[in-house]
Amino acid sequence: GNSVTQMEGPVTLSEEAFLTINCTYTATGYPSLFWYVQYPGEGLQLLLKATKADDKGSNKGFEATYRKETTSFHLEKGSVQVSDSAVYFCALRGSGGSNYKLTFGKGTLLTVNP
Amino acid sequence: DSGVTQTPKHLITATGQRVTLRCSPRSGDLSVYWYQQSLDQGLQFLIQYYNGEERAKGNILERFSAQQFPDLHSELNLSSLELGDSALYFCASSLGGTSGSETQYFGPGTRLLVL
Repeated sequence: GNSVTQMEGPVTLSEEAFLTINCTYTATGYPSLFWYVQYPGEGLQLLLKATKADDKGSNKGFEATYRKETTSFHLEKGSVQVSDSAVYFCALRGSGGSNYKLTFGKGTLLTVNP
Repeated sequence: DSGVTQTPKHLITATGQRVTLRCSPRSGDLSVYWYQQSLDQGLQFLIQYYNGEERAKGNILERFSAQQFPDLHSELNLSSLELGDSALYFCASSLGGTSGSETQYFGPGTRLLVL
């Protein structure tokens, strides 16, 4: 079945530092890939997505590129802010059959200090 | 605000009891999904409904059931509750549910505590 592996953290950075959160996946076919963010006490918000190989998703300074050859979708941001402190989830959605569900990684807690 | 609403926000109950969680999808969305978030299992898909019909099932216990009504809101029923059912339950919705690239929008969740 489908699976997602992401670095579990926690990750602690200083403001303006560079962020990378690694995510790799296992899936058949051509899944779509997502990053969701969960701020304290809130639900999940879509951060970005990519639906085919070599697509780059981007939003709010975050980027991730769908790499089929390495089955990866690493999240990056050049300069983090305190307001980026949250839990980040990598997820995939299958490409056919009854694969309508999202399969999530375990989440990475990011804390950004001023 | 995703446009997906869930009630109640918090629920505290005792073992053996039954509770109902409610979800209203975004306007125009036909698919509703339920997920459970717990510390040990992470985020797990439970079940999906599309326009009133069950579409896909995940790791949903037999003590749990769900339905989607003609107005497209959905309810998740949890019965014979156990301590291990304590978790955050999310509802998500999407337009049709038949495309892998379709975005699912999540509600704020219902936090269930079983004592």
